[in-house]
Amino acid sequence: DVKVTQSSRYLVKRTGEKVFLECVQDMDHENMFWYRQDPGLGLRLIYFSYDVKMKEKGDIPEGYSVSREKKERFSLILESASTNQTSMYLCASSLGPRNSPLHFGNGTRLTVT
Amino acid sequence: QKEVEQDPGPLSVPEGAIVSLNCTYSNSAFQYFMWYRQYSRKGPELLMYTYSSGNKEDGRFTAQVDKSSKYISLFIRDSQPSDSATYLCAGAGANNLFFGTGTRLTVIP
Repeated sequence: DVKVTQSSRYLVKRTGEKVFLECVQDMDHENMFWYRQDPGLGLRLIYFSYDVKMKEKGDIPEGYSVSREKKERFSLILESASTNQTSMYLCASSLGPRNSPLHFGNGTRLTVT
Repeated sequence: QKEVEQDPGPLSVPEGAIVSLNCTYSNSAFQYFMWYRQYSRKGPELLMYTYSSGNKEDGRFTAQVDKSSKYISLFIRDSQPSDSATYLCAGAGANNLFFGTGTRLTVIP
C-alpha cells in the first residue's frame, strides 16, 4: 500500500518566517504534488514535480517554492510566510501522469500568526 | 464557472439510508472520474475510479457517470456511521485533475 508521509501534522509559524513542509513517499512514484485545501475553495494545486529536480507551477504558485532532490522526497517552501497562507497542505504522489489518481498524505495544518 | 461543481452539504442521513452524492462538470473532454473520501483530519483516499458513462459498483458503493448531462454521482447503500466523511469528486482533463469542493456526510446511528 502506498504511503505518503508528511512530517508535521500541525505547525504554527509567525509572519515572515521561512517554512519548510516535508513529504516522503515509499512507492517509487515519479510524480509528486503539493495542494492546499481551504473551505469552499477545495483542493488547489500549488506545484507538481515529475522527476528529481523537475517541477511545474500549479494554479497558485505565488509565495511558494519547491525542492525535489531525491525521488521519494518533495518539499514545499514558504519563503516568507503570510497569514493568507494559513491552510491545510496536502502532499500527494502518483504513478502515472499529472491527471492520474493521487495518493495523499494526511496533511499539515499550518497556521501563520 | 468551475470545472467541477459539488454541493457542499452538509448532508445528514440515518444509518441504513441510501445516500446520493452528486457533481456536475463543464469540460466535455474529461477522460475519467474519481471519488475520494476524506475523514476528519486525514488526507483524501481514492474510493472509486471510472472511465466511461454508466455504473461501476464496489461493495456498497456505486459510481455513476452521465456524460450527456455532465453529471456524476456516488451512491452509498446501507450507509454506516463509518461512512461519515467528506466526499470529493474529481474529473481528469488532459493534463490535470479538477476537484469539487466536497460534500460533508454524516450518518447518524
